[in-house]
Amino acid sequence: QSALTQPASVSGSPGQSITISCTGTSSDVGSYNLVSWYQQHPGKAPKFMIYEVNKRPSGVSNRFSGSKSGNTASLTISGLQAEDESDYYCCSYAGSSTFVFGTGTKVTVL
Amino acid sequence: EVQLVESGGGLVQPGGSLRLSCVVSGFTLSSYWMHWVRQAPGKGLVWVSRIKNDGSSTSYADSVKGRFTISRDNAKNTLYLQMNSLRAEDTAVYYCTRSDYYDAWGQGTMVTVSS
Repeated sequence: QSALTQPASVSGSPGQSITISCTGTSSDVGSYNLVSWYQQHPGKAPKFMIYEVNKRPSGVSNRFSGSKSGNTASLTISGLQAEDESDYYCCSYAGSSTFVFGTGTKVTVL
Repeated sequence: EVQLVESGGGLVQPGGSLRLSCVVSGFTLSSYWMHWVRQAPGKGLVWVSRIKNDGSSTSYADSVKGRFTISRDNAKNTLYLQMNSLRAEDTAVYYCTRSDYYDAWGQGTMVTVSS
């Protein structure tokens, strides 16, 4: 149950697009289309942003999109806005009724 | 409105026990699998445990297996986490969250294990 690997930080200017990677193994990300993404502002509970790799819950901006290739999932934020500055976490089903989160990525809007 | 409210956190000595509760409203608890997720101070999210909607199946992270027990009382709209043999590394904010998508979260309850 090792954490999925995310870059510690990603930054971009307003209006730009950024991509956060989430690298696992063939036992988790690579085996299941059950990757989800969460946004967490300091001191707050996480917010559900993406599920099943690339599906957006109602109410989440279409500037957020997800994808997956092999053992790596990605979250792309397009048209970056100041309010997107936050921590982001991926999560994957890891088999045997277990789940694993990513290490987290701090997004900075320059 | 969907709400999840955790309680039961606090300061406990190493080796001690605590029981966390999560009272839900705005949805039917018996329809959902539920999870506990924790976050140590300044650290990332870590999955802890899951329980099936009817309580018949549970699973745990290796780090808590044998020490923590997840349970639920659907009639009382409440999810529980019994934590025994607590260690310093269990210090964290504990969140209850709904479904395998974690589509709703409580505000968390802080557990501090220290002498």
